[in-house]
Amino acid sequence: NAGVTQTPKFQVLKTGQSMTLQCAQDMNHEYMSWYRQDPGMGLRLIHYSVGAGITDQGEVPNGYNVSRSTTEDFPLRLLSAAPSQTSVYFCASSLQGSYGYTFGSGTRLTVV
Amino acid sequence: AQKVTQAQTEISVVEKEDVTLDCVYETRDTTYYLFWYKQPPSGELVFLIRRNSFDEQNEISGRYSWNFQKSTSSFNFTITASQVVDSAVYFCALSDPNQAGTALIFGKGTTLSVSS
Repeated sequence: NAGVTQTPKFQVLKTGQSMTLQCAQDMNHEYMSWYRQDPGMGLRLIHYSVGAGITDQGEVPNGYNVSRSTTEDFPLRLLSAAPSQTSVYFCASSLQGSYGYTFGSGTRLTVV
Repeated sequence: AQKVTQAQTEISVVEKEDVTLDCVYETRDTTYYLFWYKQPPSGELVFLIRRNSFDEQNEISGRYSWNFQKSTSSFNFTITASQVVDSAVYFCALSDPNQAGTALIFGKGTTLSVSS
């Protein structure tokens, strides 16, 4: 049972480039979410999904897009990377949000 | 709006000391869930505990204990006889079934350093 798998683990982008952070879970969880972690800021919610085809914005959605075509996958797209998007990104999933979330191991993104 | 406040940014203790990490939350709903997560230096997020708003019983798990008080909107975490392996960042989080698809709202975290 792999849990929540995030790829890549590390990525360096140039300003203006686009990329997709992948997140997959094999637990048949309906609830998935993306967070970014910055020093002194805790984890801030970017986007979330309560099921396939349903997504919504969190606290810091600007510059990011998501889609949820399957229960298993919840990719996060950076449209035009900016240095302010340098961060550690975590994906999480839950069978039912109130039960708590399982987190992936994170993606460390640097935008230069 | 929902909010979680962890006022202690950093705490340093010596091994075997007891330490309490504070968490204060804000929500207008009567049904919600509170969590603590641990993030060791390796970076992963480890689930520690979940508590629903209708259960104010304190919980103890080994050296860890949690005190939930709705009257003061607090959910504090105590480590008894701290050990070096407890050094980590600890996050308190809130989940509200009526907000953000129950996604977790995190505090900014408390960095605990335990020295030998």
